[in-house]
Amino acid sequence: AQTVTQSQPEMSVQEAETVTLSCTYDTSESDYYLFWYKQPPSRQMILVIRQEAYKQQNATENRFSVNFQKAAKSFSLKISDSQLGDAAMYFCAYRWYRDDKIIFGKGTRLHILP
Amino acid sequence: GAVVSQHPSRVICKSGTSVKIECRSLDFQATTMFWYRQFPKKSLMLMATSNEGSKATYEQGVEKDKFLINHASLTLSTLTVTSAHPEDSSFYICSASLSQGDFTDTQYFGPGTRLTVL
Repeated sequence: AQTVTQSQPEMSVQEAETVTLSCTYDTSESDYYLFWYKQPPSRQMILVIRQEAYKQQNATENRFSVNFQKAAKSFSLKISDSQLGDAAMYFCAYRWYRDDKIIFGKGTRLHILP
Repeated sequence: GAVVSQHPSRVICKSGTSVKIECRSLDFQATTMFWYRQFPKKSLMLMATSNEGSKATYEQGVEKDKFLINHASLTLSTLTVTSAHPEDSSFYICSASLSQGDFTDTQYFGPGTRLTVL
C-alpha cells in the first residue's frame, strides 16, 4: 500500500527566509503524481504545486519549488522568501496516475515568525 | 479557476438527527466527487468516492448506511450524516475532479463543513 510520511509535525521560519518541508513516500508504482497542498486557518485546501513522476525536472511555482528524488522516494517543498501568508498546514500527497484517490501525509504546520 | 462550494459551512445539530451537506462544482462539470473527513489537527481521511449517476464507493471502515452519498448531477454531490452522534462531529471536506479523461485530472477542494453534534 502506498504511504506518505511527513516527519516534521511543526516548523518555524523567519519571515523572508527559506524553509524546506520534508516528505517521503512509498509506492511500487512508477507512474504517479505528487502534490503539496496548503491548508490555511480558513481550512480551504489549496494546491501549491504538482509533480508528475515521469518528469525529471523539478516543478516550480513562483516562490515554491520541489526537490523530487524518485529513486529515494523523496519530495520536499522549498518556500523561498517566506511571507506571513504562508503560515498554514502543508500536506504532501500522492496519487497513482490511474486512480482518483489521493493519499495525504499527516501534515506539517508552518509558522512564520515576523 | 475551478471553484467548489460547500453548504452549509457550519452546522450544529442534536444527537439523533440527520444532516445534509452539499458540494457543488460552480464552473465545471465534475464526473467524480470525493468526501473527506478531517479530525482536529489531523490529515484528511477519504470517506468515499462518488461518480455521477452511480453508487458511491466507500473506503474500508466507513459505514455506508450512516454516511449517505448522492451524486445526482455533474455539479452536485450530497453527504447525509444519518442519526448523527457526537462522535460524528468533525470537519467534512469535499473535492471535485475536473476530468480530462486521461487520469491527469486535478481535484479541487471545497471550503469544508464543520459539523457539531450535541
